[in-house]
Amino acid sequence: AQKVTQAQTEISVVEKEDVTLDCVYETRDTTYYLFWYKQPPSGELVFLIRRNSFDEQNEISGRYSWNFQKSTSSFNFTITASQVVDSAVYFCALIYGGSQGNLIFGKGTKLSVKP
Amino acid sequence: DVKVTQSSRYLVKRTGEKVFLECVQDMDHENMFWYRQDPGLGLRLIYFSYDVKMKEKGDIPEGYSVSREKKERFSLILESASTNQTSMYLCASKIGGESSYEQYFGPGTRLTVT
Repeated sequence: AQKVTQAQTEISVVEKEDVTLDCVYETRDTTYYLFWYKQPPSGELVFLIRRNSFDEQNEISGRYSWNFQKSTSSFNFTITASQVVDSAVYFCALIYGGSQGNLIFGKGTKLSVKP
Repeated sequence: DVKVTQSSRYLVKRTGEKVFLECVQDMDHENMFWYRQDPGLGLRLIYFSYDVKMKEKGDIPEGYSVSREKKERFSLILESASTNQTSMYLCASKIGGESSYEQYFGPGTRLTVT
């Protein structure tokens, strides 16, 4: 079965703390793509990153970093020195070969960053 | 920048009404999608379309239909709205062909059926 699990339903941190959002996926396909999206209170999902299954290099973009580990089927997202503007729901998603390009979403993690 | 717009941010309808949710994208994308988002359930795919006049069922198509008469417009239709269709509806679009391209989302329509 193809599945994305975000075990953390809600996380609350204080500004400037580092926070890691977990994502574990399941797929039998050897070719797949993983995504992270951010949904701020305004409602619109914003694309953050795409990673393909052949590229296990970690990526850093400013305060954001992603750790992709095929051995544990995980694609975790870390925010360093969190800010109030990071408060949002974050979704991890998967596209696999048989999905016709359709995203399989996790249930999301709601991050609250308090001043 | 890709722009996906949805006709309404908030909508209140009565049980049994026919409801149209409109989505328009301005980037000539082939693929378009309708999702509903519910607390604790995440996003679930209702219908998608690869091209004009083409449609495919997603995971939860029951109670919904869609229409794609023009490439830029994808409509979601609730033939007879029911209270269990109260939800946030999100439209998305993406470039066709390569499955790995990211989807771009609209701001969502929060529908309440009373």
